[in-house]
Parts: sequence; C-alpha cells; structure tokens
Amino acid sequence: QKEVEQNSGPLSVPEGAIASLNCTYSDRGSQSFFWYRQYSGKSPELIMFIYSNGDKEDGRFTAQLNKASQYVSLLIRDSQPSDSATYLCALDSGGGADGLTFGKGTHLIIQP
Amino acid sequence: DVKVTQSSRYLVKRTGEKVFLECVQDMDHENMFWYRQDPGLGLRLIYFSYDVKMKEKGDIPEGYSVSREKKERFSLILESASTNQTSMYLCASRISNEQYFGPGTRLTVT
Repeated sequence: QKEVEQNSGPLSVPEGAIASLNCTYSDRGSQSFFWYRQYSGKSPELIMFIYSNGDKEDGRFTAQLNKASQYVSLLIRDSQPSDSATYLCALDSGGGADGLTFGKGTHLIIQP
Repeated sequence: DVKVTQSSRYLVKRTGEKVFLECVQDMDHENMFWYRQDPGLGLRLIYFSYDVKMKEKGDIPEGYSVSREKKERFSLILESASTNQTSMYLCASRISNEQYFGPGTRLTVT
C-alpha cells in the first residue's frame, strides 16, 4: 500500500519568509514526485515535479528529493499572501498510466 | 494551455438515481482519471483509462463505473447514487509527468 504523509497544519509563515513543506512516502519504488497547490473550493494546480535526487528550482519554488530517506519537500521563497493554500504532495510508482497517490495536504497560511 | 472541462460544477441528485459525470480534455492525452476528494481523506482514485475503451479500477471503484468511447471524453457513472457518494469529483488527464485537473463537480446526494 502506497502511503504519502504530510503534516496537515496549518503552517503559518510571515510574508517574505521561506515556507518549507514536507512529505514522506512508504513505497521505495516510487519514481516521480509532484507538488500541487489547491485553493479553497478550487481544483489542484500542478506546481512542479521531481524525479532525481537533489534540488529542482522553478521561480520561487524549489523541490527537494531524497530517495534514501524517502522524503520530498517544497520550499517557497519570498512567501506572499497569495501562496496561502493547501499543498498536496503526490507520487507516481507506475510510470504515468495508473494515477498518482496523494497525501492529504498541508494548509499553509502566509501572514501579511 | 491544457484544458480539462467537467459538465457540471454543482449537482444535486436523489438516492437511487443514475448519475453521469462527464469530462473532456482538449490535448489528445491518452491517460485520464477520476478522483473524489473528501475532507480528512484527501484525493482518492476511483477509475482510470489509458486508451479508448480501456479502463482500470483505482483504489475505490465500488459503486462506480466508467466509459471512454472517445479519446477526449471520460465519463464517470454512479449506477445508483447513495448519500455516501456525496463528494467533490475531479477529473484529470495526463501526458508524461504533467497531470492536469478539471474544475471539479460537487455532487450532493440527498
């Protein structure tokens, strides 16, 4: 059984600071990892994905993957109030055809 | 821009009714998915399809069926709606490492 664990929060971060969101997973066969952002009442939006150990940067977002320790993290630099949302971690073990397994999400609040 | 559309944003149905939720994507993606999202339970995969007329069960297929007669369209069917199927239903399509969601259908079964 694939499991993805996230702290539900809320995680409160002051505006302009770095928000750090973490995710652990149980399936060592997991190949790709995804971060989605979901605003209240809306559907999830893909932020970025990572499949190699190390860091991957995209604008203010950095994803970090450590397969040996089975964790993925998302850093948001220069946090803005508009970053307040629920962040979902997801993984893919099947190469893309059989859907993603999602964590329950971390609720992030950026305080002005 | 990838576009995934769902037939209804809000739907109210009675117990025992047959319910059809439609999803259309415009990017010629092969892989399509239906999830439901519930507070405290997160997103759970109901069914998926990797080609026309192909379907596979996800983690919670009981009470649901699907149809994929055309590549761009993936339908979720509730054969006999029950109150425990009240939920947010999200369709998604995927190519390579990018999976995109539709806006969702909030279904209430009374």
